[in-house]
Amino acid sequence: NAGVTQTPKFQVLKTGQSMTLQCAQDMNHEYMSWYRQDPGMGLRLIHYSVGAGITDQGEVPNGYNVSRSTTEDFPLRLLSAAPSQTSVYFCASRETGGNYGYTFGSGTRLTVV
Amino acid sequence: GQSLEQPSEVTAVEGAIVQINCTYQTSGFYGLSWYQQHDGGAPTFLSYNALDGLEETGRFSSFLSRSDSYGYLLLQELQMKDSASYFCAVRGVNYGQNFVFGPGTRLSVLP
Repeated sequence: NAGVTQTPKFQVLKTGQSMTLQCAQDMNHEYMSWYRQDPGMGLRLIHYSVGAGITDQGEVPNGYNVSRSTTEDFPLRLLSAAPSQTSVYFCASRETGGNYGYTFGSGTRLTVV
Repeated sequence: GQSLEQPSEVTAVEGAIVQINCTYQTSGFYGLSWYQQHDGGAPTFLSYNALDGLEETGRFSSFLSRSDSYGYLLLQELQMKDSASYFCAVRGVNYGQNFVFGPGTRLSVLP
């Protein structure tokens, strides 16, 4: 099992550029979420999905879009990058019920200049 | 909304016991989780409490008091490798019963 795979690991964007952060899981988990982590602020929920075809907004959704066409994939799109989006982005997945524990990907470190 | 508070830093010596506290405010409550994160790494799941009381998993234990909106993570027989950041996360009615994370507590274990 690969778990949760995120690509790329590092990315530098110029202000105004767009890009997609990829996330894939092979555990057949229904729940998937995107979090961003900034120093001293913990992890903040951007968007989440409770299953294929179903997505919704989290705490800080502005400037981001998501889609969930398959159970495995949950890409995060930055529409027009801004310096405020410089952060570490984590994708996570979990099964429905059980101990509700998330499995996190290794993260994408994004810098917007 | 949902909000959580944790101490920003805790320091302890190898072999000691340390408690990391978490207080939360949430609209509806389903459970409280704890995660560990080493520098440069991804968060890893430690525990989940839905009911009051203490849950033990090896050297780590997690406690919940729903009436006090309070929980803590207890680490026993501290080892150098326990130096990391620890996050509590509350599962409430918002965001599809998803988790909102606290700001994290940085634990430093000294020799």
